[in-house]
Amino acid sequence: QQQVKQSPQSLIVQKGGISIINCAYENTAFDYFPWYQQFPGKGPALLIAIRPDVSEKKEGRFTISFNKSAKQFSLHIMDSQPGDSATYFCAARGYGQNFVFGPGTRLSVLP
Amino acid sequence: GAGVSQTPSNKVTEKGKYVELRCDPISGHTALYWYRQSLGQGPEFLIYFQGTGAADDSGLPNDRFFAVRPEGSVSTLKIQRTERGDSAVYLCASSLSGGANTGELFFGEGSRLTVL
Repeated sequence: QQQVKQSPQSLIVQKGGISIINCAYENTAFDYFPWYQQFPGKGPALLIAIRPDVSEKKEGRFTISFNKSAKQFSLHIMDSQPGDSATYFCAARGYGQNFVFGPGTRLSVLP
Repeated sequence: GAGVSQTPSNKVTEKGKYVELRCDPISGHTALYWYRQSLGQGPEFLIYFQGTGAADDSGLPNDRFFAVRPEGSVSTLKIQRTERGDSAVYLCASSLSGGANTGELFFGEGSRLTVL
C-alpha cells in the first residue's frame, strides 16, 4: 500500500513533442503528490506538485493531471526540449510526512 | 550554505567496515530526511527527523543503520559492518517544517557509497 507505481521506465521523444509519464498509488491517505526531476550526479529537484483536491495543475510547459477516483496521476511535458532529458520521479506523501517515490522514468528528448 | 551539503561525495570501503555520512541541511529547515538510491531506482526512505528527534525511522533496513541529529541541524548516518548490498547513493533532504506546508524536499547531491 505504500508503493507508487510509475510507467514507462524509459521514454524517447522528439524535440517539440509531448512527454507523458504515469503514476498510480493504492494508499488513499496520501495527501500530496510531487514530481521530481533528477540529472545525473545530482539530487532530485522539485518540478511541480499537486494536492488531491485539484484535478489539474499547470506551470509553464509542465502539467499534472490527477484522477482521485482512479488513484492515478500523470505528468505532461509540452514542447519537450533536449534540456528536459533527465529522470523523473513521481512521489506521494503519506502518514508522518514520509515521501514514497516511484521507480523513475528516464526521458530522452532527441534534438 | 545555500543548499543541502553532503560529505563525503564518494566513499569506498571494505566489507565489514564502519562508515559515517554527513548531511548539513539548509539553515532553518527543521525537517531532515535520509533516502537511499540504488542504480536505476527511485529514492528509498530511510529515516526522517523533526528537530533533534527521529519522527519516523521505519525505513532503516536493520540495526546496522543508525542516524543522529543531536543539535537539530547537521545529521550523521552511521552504517556498521558494511555489506556489499549497502552500496548505493545516500541522499539527504531538508524541508521547512516536515513538508506540511509546501511539501518541498530540498535534496543534496548525495554520498556515493561503494562497499568492496
